Amino acid sequence: SQQGEEDPQALSIQEGENATMNCSYKTSINNLQWYRQNSGRGLVHLILIRSNEREKHSGRLRVTLDTSKKSSSLLITASRAADTASYFCATALGNQFYFGTGTSLTVIP
Amino acid sequence: DAGITQSPRHKVTETGTPVTLRCHQTENHRYMYWYRQDPGHGLRLIHYSYGVKDTDKGEVSDGYSVSRSKTEDFLLTLESATSSQTSVYFCAISESNQPQHFGDGTRLSIL
Repeated sequence: SQQGEEDPQALSIQEGENATMNCSYKTSINNLQWYRQNSGRGLVHLILIRSNEREKHSGRLRVTLDTSKKSSSLLITASRAADTASYFCATALGNQFYFGTGTSLTVIP
Repeated sequence: DAGITQSPRHKVTETGTPVTLRCHQTENHRYMYWYRQDPGHGLRLIHYSYGVKDTDKGEVSDGYSVSRSKTEDFLLTLESATSSQTSVYFCAISESNQPQHFGDGTRLSIL
């Protein structure tokens, strides 16, 4: 399987703290994407980082990519209760996407 | 998500019956995908389409078929549903090398 794996599977933090999630994958990629899923809803795209990029920022999100280690991390700074959700990484090869099993983030007010 | 509609949103059916799920988009995106989401497995690709009448298998295609006769519609069919196909099914759309946009899912229970 080319599926990625997120680590940790579950994370619980206090509001205002930073949350870091990691993703490892197995194959070459065109890009890597992070998605968020609220309970009972579909996934929502957060950020895309291309294989020739090492770091990308979007608001309170910071994504890094290390293609030599086949790994990526998502940092959410100054977390809010509304950030509570599941977060998935997805690797793209051609126009097929391979999703990890997700990290469940709980932000306690 | 605006632009993607999945129907039905919930369905309960019996083993051995045929089931068809529909995904409708108003974005005119070229690529459409069907995934299933199960605890401990994340999202797994069932089939995808790269144009009208152009489809290909994904990671877990056995027991499923798809059709795309129009740009806006992508149908997923379970010819004879089994209990192992109980899952939440998501449709997604995208353009080439762009992020995917997801529908809100269909919760399918097969008794």
